[in-house]
Amino acid sequence: QVQLQESGPGLVKPSETLSLICTVSGDSINSHNYYWAWIRQPPGKGLEWIATVHYSGNTFYNPSLKSRITMSVDTSKNQFSLSLSSLTAADTAVYFCSRHSGLRYFDPWGQGTLVTVSS
Amino acid sequence: EIVLTQSPATLSLSPGERATLSCRASRSVNNYLAWYQQKPGQSPRLLIYDASSRATGIPARFSGSGSGTDFTLTISSLEPEDFAVYFCQQRSNWPPFTFGQGTKLEI
Repeated sequence: QVQLQESGPGLVKPSETLSLICTVSGDSINSHNYYWAWIRQPPGKGLEWIATVHYSGNTFYNPSLKSRITMSVDTSKNQFSLSLSSLTAADTAVYFCSRHSGLRYFDPWGQGTLVTVSS
Repeated sequence: EIVLTQSPATLSLSPGERATLSCRASRSVNNYLAWYQQKPGQSPRLLIYDASSRATGIPARFSGSGSGTDFTLTISSLEPEDFAVYFCQQRSNWPPFTFGQGTKLEI
């Protein structure tokens, strides 16, 4: 069964750029109808979809974050990544990666990684 | 952007009781709505998709209903492991895909 694992820095400074990687196991990131997504959750709050990518390179971004986001796929490593620039304290959250089958629903999810933006 | 409003914010029930959670969309999402369960310190788990279809491995006590703007997640008889936060999510009109703010189901 597919499993996803996020990796990232944990603590980043304001104005810097966050880089996160999601490693997929148990499935090929090249699967035709699979897309791959990032979702975040500020502490004690709800869920916010960030972006989705297809292995072909097609990307779909949340308009509220679009100017600060870049997503990419590395098929050789079965990984996809997120870059989020110009960080502020409002970007402090648990960041989850997920499979986004057919651009429909998110299943399954990685365990999440907490990113704190602080000087 | 479609806004999803969940009610109540918190629902206090006992094991064995029936739980009814609501999700209302700011405009029609047809039946393109999902429900997720999130336990403390865990990632969300897909329960219901397309309003009423149970995801793989989800017990039959979980059911979803509704279409258009009003949706319901029902847990027929609460088990101790069902006490968690529940979110709805729409895929009808995007970007962005949006989630409700969650309902906390507590003992």
